[in-house]
Parts: sequence; C-alpha cells; structure tokens
Amino acid sequence: DGGITQSPKYLFRKEGQNVTLSCEQNLNHDAMYWYRQDPGQGLRLIYYSQIVNDFQKGDIAEGYSVSREKKESFPLTVTSAQKNPTAFYLCASSYGDSWWTEAFFGQGTRLTVV
Amino acid sequence: DQQVKQNSPSLSVQEGRISILNCDYTNSMFDYFLWYKKYPAEGPTFLISISSIKDKNEDGRFTVFLNKSAKHLSLHIVPSQPGDSAVYFCAVTASTGKLIFGQGTTLQVKP
Repeated sequence: DGGITQSPKYLFRKEGQNVTLSCEQNLNHDAMYWYRQDPGQGLRLIYYSQIVNDFQKGDIAEGYSVSREKKESFPLTVTSAQKNPTAFYLCASSYGDSWWTEAFFGQGTRLTVV
Repeated sequence: DQQVKQNSPSLSVQEGRISILNCDYTNSMFDYFLWYKKYPAEGPTFLISISSIKDKNEDGRFTVFLNKSAKHLSLHIVPSQPGDSAVYFCAVTASTGKLIFGQGTTLQVKP
C-alpha cells in the first residue's frame, strides 16, 4: 500500500537537544512538506522541497533544518535553537510537477520538550 | 501577515442541516484551493478542491464555492452528519507549489 509514514508518533526531548523526525513516502511524489500545528494556529509551513537535493524555507523555518537526499525521505531536525518546539508535526507529500493536486499527510509526530 | 484566514474558530450545527465553512485569502495569484478534514492526533485528509477557472465543485454532500472577486471560498456540507465533526482547514496554492493553510474551523454536528 502506498502512503506516507511519520515516526515516531510520540517523541520526548530534553531542552538543549537536537531531535530528528522521520518522514518517508512511497507514493513517488516529488514534493514534500513539513508543517507544525499549535492550538488555534492552524498548520504553519516549516520547510518544503519540490525535488531531491533542493528545499525552501517556509514561514517558520528558524530553529529547524531539513535534508532531501532521497526522493522518498524528508527528515526534519528540530534544533536546540527552536525556542518553543513542543507541537504536533505533520509531514506531507504531493506531485511536484502538478501543483494543482492534493497533498497527502502522515499521521503526525507529537514532540514534547521535557 | 496571514494569507489565508478562517475567521470562525468553531461552528455547531444540527444533524441534517447545512454546514457552511468560510475561508478568505489575500493574494489573487492563488489559483488552486483545497479543503482538508482533520481528526485529533491524525494527519489531515483531503476532502475537495477547486481551481480558479471554476466557481463551484461538488462531490456528494460536499460542495466548494469560489468567489474570486471577493477572494473567498466556502465549503457546504449537506446534510451534515455527526461523523462530519472535525477540524476543517482550507488551503491555497499557486504554481510555486507551496501549500498554505488557514487556521482551521472546528465543526460540531449535534445528533
């Protein structure tokens, strides 16, 4: 079955530590995205990538980093520079050369800083 | 500055009645519009979309209306069912492929 998988579902991090969230898709999608959801804030775009080895900052990229070495994978690292990392993180993918199509989302990772 | 706004954080309707969710956007360059449905602790799922060349798209109980001059779109659910209770996000995109979401509206359908 094709889909997009995020892991882990829950993640706890100590203050000052970097942590990496995994996102894998087998939909053969070119474009991948990372969003953050906070209560009352909707989905805010952190980073997006339309092709391998290329990515762009979204609206709230500070304190985050990404890589896109493979088409299937778009890991997100939450660095210690992110001031308020506790949130629900969502990864999505879509056909990059057909921007007029829907994005498919993973089930999300809830990150808690302790 | 938010480019996509859903001004109603919540909406409550009776089962069988119509639910109308609204969304406003600021940039006339946006030309593809989507609605997503989200349950707690899950990823959003795609519901329905419309391109800027149309003003209406219908899929079963769900209809999306686009008013380009007003930069406004709406989602109508008729008849509403308790299982429709969820958070609904509108999203917009242009040829850059960047998908921008609104803040979401929580719909509660009462039996």
